[in-house]
Amino acid sequence: NAGVMQNPRHLVRRRGQEARLRCSPMKGHSHVYWYRQLPEEGLKFMVYLQKENIIDESGMPKERFSAEFPKEGPSILRIQQVVRGDSAAYFCASSPGSSREWADTQYFGPGTRLTVL
Amino acid sequence: QKEVEQDPGPLSVPEGAIVSLNCTYSNSAFQYFMWYRQYSRKGPELLMYTYSSGNKEDGRFTAQVDKSSKYISLFIRDSQPSDSATYLCAMVTYGQNFVFGPGTRLSVLP
Repeated sequence: NAGVMQNPRHLVRRRGQEARLRCSPMKGHSHVYWYRQLPEEGLKFMVYLQKENIIDESGMPKERFSAEFPKEGPSILRIQQVVRGDSAAYFCASSPGSSREWADTQYFGPGTRLTVL
Repeated sequence: QKEVEQDPGPLSVPEGAIVSLNCTYSNSAFQYFMWYRQYSRKGPELLMYTYSSGNKEDGRFTAQVDKSSKYISLFIRDSQPSDSATYLCAMVTYGQNFVFGPGTRLSVLP
């Protein structure tokens, strides 16, 4: 039973380029969450999605960041015109039901480490 | 005051020691409490999950929740070098998102 998959595992971008991070949830999970983790800091919630719906994006920066979870295929976190401050580990998690409604536990992927030069 | 506080460590203990990891929180509405273990450059892995106050035991791990004090603990008995990792507490209430502590780095020395 494959866990949460994320790719790429490492991504290097120059300032001003776009970064696309992909997340495939566990089989049977339809709820996806994206988090950002900076060194020595905890996981910070960014966005919560279900298939074709953004449920809560209160943790997303207002500009340059967007997320989607299409009917088919992985969830995508997109960062346009990256800056050095975007360098971080980005984790995706999935749950079978809504963690907000049922407190279902979240299962994390291995993360994508973004480095902006 | 941060919503969830956790001593960042690092905490170094000899192999076989009992380890106590703690989090305090300010939001009395939190109902579910979790501990995640994160190895270096890996994703967090769920260790323990408890609802409301009380204790829960799983092998060498015991999770304790004291809602009156807004304090949760994770105890590791007979600690092993393979327990060396960062331990994150997380908590949630209905209708809200998970809130994570910053994590405590644990090093178990052989």
